[in-house]
Amino acid sequence: DQQVKQNSPSLSVQEGRISILNCDYTNSMFDYFLWYKKYPAEGPTFLISISSIKDKNEDGRFTVFLNKSAKHLSLHIVPSQPGDSAVYFCAARTGGGSEKLVFGKGTKLTVNP
Amino acid sequence: DTGVSQDPRHKITKRGQNVTFRCDPISEHNRLYWYRQTLGQGPEFLTYFQNEAQLEKSRLLSDRFSAERPKGSFSTLEIQRTEQGDSAMYLCASSPVLSGQPQHFGDGTRLSIL
Repeated sequence: DQQVKQNSPSLSVQEGRISILNCDYTNSMFDYFLWYKKYPAEGPTFLISISSIKDKNEDGRFTVFLNKSAKHLSLHIVPSQPGDSAVYFCAARTGGGSEKLVFGKGTKLTVNP
Repeated sequence: DTGVSQDPRHKITKRGQNVTFRCDPISEHNRLYWYRQTLGQGPEFLTYFQNEAQLEKSRLLSDRFSAERPKGSFSTLEIQRTEQGDSAMYLCASSPVLSGQPQHFGDGTRLSIL
């Protein structure tokens, strides 16, 4: 069973507009959520995270929102830039003393000039 | 700040051979993790160390897989008697012990089994 789901395999937006990437999870014990960006032939790069006790975290152009009741989180990128084109992975820590991260399958974002 | 380093970047081997990968974490990061990623999937957790102690192992880590971190610095992941299904990207990550710190990944070792 997939505990972290990214239902959109791809997303295309215009430069300067907002990109919204979504992630759903099933395990209510997850205590920490992260977004990673991945370029081809490189490892995932950490972008932003949020603790389960918060509902929003902002870092420059990136904002992550967490809705615990809906078991949903989203990543907003404003304004989107062509260099943001990459695969974005949502990840969740299993908690309970475990440091294991569970990843979604990723969403490929394309930002068109 | 030097990132996580993995060696080799690519490994091609015949089925049935043994392979070993190395990971050097970010200095002063006490925790080190191994993940595996196949095409179209996100990384899947294999195991993690805090210093030299292996604290957690996934059911994905069969008897043919073994990981070590003998001195709490670099780590090795060995796969014995490789199978076609072992073809994947093997990713290493590290993090400090401090709570709420993200894992930082290396660029991975891509394993291809002929």
